[in-house]
Amino acid sequence: DAGITQSPRHKVTETGTPVTLRCHQTENHRYMYWYRQDPGHGLRLIHYSYGVKDTDKGEVSDGYSVSRSKTEDFLLTLESATSSQTSVYFCAISTEGEGEKLFFGSGTQLSVL
Amino acid sequence: GESVGLHLPTLSVQEGDNSIINCAYSNSASDYFIWYKQESGKGPQFIIDIRSNMDKRQGQRVTVLLNKTVKHLSLQIAATQPGDSAVYFCAENPTGDYKLSFGAGTTVTVRA
Repeated sequence: DAGITQSPRHKVTETGTPVTLRCHQTENHRYMYWYRQDPGHGLRLIHYSYGVKDTDKGEVSDGYSVSRSKTEDFLLTLESATSSQTSVYFCAISTEGEGEKLFFGSGTQLSVL
Repeated sequence: GESVGLHLPTLSVQEGDNSIINCAYSNSASDYFIWYKQESGKGPQFIIDIRSNMDKRQGQRVTVLLNKTVKHLSLQIAATQPGDSAVYFCAENPTGDYKLSFGAGTTVTVRA
């Protein structure tokens, strides 16, 4: 799992509540990513980071924000969760020298009721 | 939107046979392609990758073929085993930076 830990592994929340998902890596990689996975859509990029305090939007960033105050942690926040954000969320890292190759965490199953 | 897709959402294979999983991509500027395997309840796992200056690359029991003329990518698995049952995704790097674009996946089921 390339030293990636996602927490929580499962979460059920209500519409309108804020939710923060955490991705922690132990190997000091520069690039980190958040993807969501939904049936029929594969994996879609939400946000990514190329260093501490350096983040950018992916293709499905609306309704999400991220923060990276330390190299090892990349947080994904749903400011006000909606049912359309029910999904499986994956964090990924890419390693120096193998730029495009992503290594994924085990995922967080989020249900918004 | 997605620029990578797979021809078939499901594939059933007899144990011991070879599997071929296909993927079409639309961005002719993509220079890097990768295959992932995802087992139930787990994150995607790297299988094999290929750059656009190659048309074939082999790994352990797997081969990736790239046909840039028709923008087609395939993954061949030799002597398919029950442990190969999973969802397989192809992905490309359409923008030349460190962001992959994924197809919708093919579910492979291995019959005993």
